[in-house]
Amino acid sequence: EVQVLESGGDLVHPGGSLRLSCVVSGFSFARYALSWVRQAPGKGLQWVASFSGSGGDTYYTDSVKGRFTISRDNSKSTLYLQMNSLRVDDTGVYYCATNGGAAFYYYNSMDVWGKGTAVAVSS
Amino acid sequence: QSVVTQAPSASATPGQRVTISCSGGSSNIGRNAVSWYQQLPGAAPRLLIYNNNERPSGVPDRFSGSRSGTSASLAISGLQSEDEADYYCASWDDSLFALVFGGGTRLTVL
Repeated sequence: EVQVLESGGDLVHPGGSLRLSCVVSGFSFARYALSWVRQAPGKGLQWVASFSGSGGDTYYTDSVKGRFTISRDNSKSTLYLQMNSLRVDDTGVYYCATNGGAAFYYYNSMDVWGKGTAVAVSS
Repeated sequence: QSVVTQAPSASATPGQRVTISCSGGSSNIGRNAVSWYQQLPGAAPRLLIYNNNERPSGVPDRFSGSRSGTSASLAISGLQSEDEADYYCASWDDSLFALVFGGGTRLTVL
């Protein structure tokens, strides 16, 4: 069974930084794309970033380009999201999810989700 | 305002069939696969449908998906009280070069 576990969420001031981690088990980690999706309080889902498997490409939603960096350590089965220059509208629950294949462009369904980690950006 | 739109709410009684729609354009649903997600209150989302109409293992066959032109639909038959949740569609958009989610439809089981 695939299990996804996020961590790293916290309360941070505007302009601050945070790094989220996502450990995936029961899964051929290196072969698959992985993604971050967030949900602001009381709002819908918003795709944030993805990293294709097998040393592939990265993808970002426009609002986080230049501020967030997605990375992965296949030896640790861990996905990261480095978030810099945080803004109030980055507040929400951040979910990590596995995708259905290596190439995110083609396999972009979010197959298995973690329970999420909460990020609050406030002064 | 998402480029992929859903009605904000829907309702039906137990046992009925309900359809939730997702409307997009030629750069997203019109050319790329649609996936559907269920989010129960207080829980993480769950994949219901991928590649327009395929169900992952473990998803009951009461849930079905379809796509026609620039729209997609999720149908739930034999509605149960535990189906009360938010439902989201998603599709890759070639113009935005981004994965776009619909705004979500809150389903109430009366």
